[in-house]
Amino acid sequence: QSVLTQPPSASGTPGQRVTISCSGSSSNIGVTNVYWYRQLPGTAPKTVIYRNNQRPSGVPDRFSGSKSGTSASLAISGLRSEDEADYYCAVWDVSLRGVLFGGGTKLTVL
Amino acid sequence: EVQLVESGGGLVQPGGSLRLSCAASGFTFSRSWMSWVRQAPGKGLEWVANIKYDGIEKYYVASVKGRFTISRDNAKNSLYLQMNSLRAEDTALYYCVRYGDVLFDAWGQGTLVTVSS
Repeated sequence: QSVLTQPPSASGTPGQRVTISCSGSSSNIGVTNVYWYRQLPGTAPKTVIYRNNQRPSGVPDRFSGSKSGTSASLAISGLRSEDEADYYCAVWDVSLRGVLFGGGTKLTVL
Repeated sequence: EVQLVESGGGLVQPGGSLRLSCAASGFTFSRSWMSWVRQAPGKGLEWVANIKYDGIEKYYVASVKGRFTISRDNAKNSLYLQMNSLRAEDTALYYCVRYGDVLFDAWGQGTLVTVSS
């Protein structure tokens, strides 16, 4: 069981805004940066948000990240069918001295 | 273009050993931290190990400590993962990943390890 907690699923209709949460603790999210990855079936993950709220080049501004205390969120606005994927949060945990991934959230575009 | 190509996966019996390799190109490998991340079939991502660019600092997830060893050869632009005392729960797709300021910013396509009798 992951120390970072994500909802197993999320859904929305095209054009809607959806958010995916990631809950951690004072030894990870509370003191380090949060990263978000998107994984399409059969492919390697790709970064959509780094350092809590930064977007890599090529990631549309429909994607945004935020962090407050020991929780973080990924928001996707103007939902599109191609956003359907698995999304993972990740952080460095200073107590475990290792990287933690959330359990992943399967986003479905209805 | 950054390229990471894993090899060495396969079917191994419980208790057996396997050595994964990753050939890196398109960036300065000797200045990059590297990682192994795995994904069991139908499951989520799990970080396995990190290694500093000079090979001195290494970090492991608790479940593989004492069984797996991450190493690198900067002269060959190669990353390795020696896996001993393999268990069924080690069955996964193993990704070679560049680790840096944006955490994991380049991934290979993975090599599949299956531990089964």
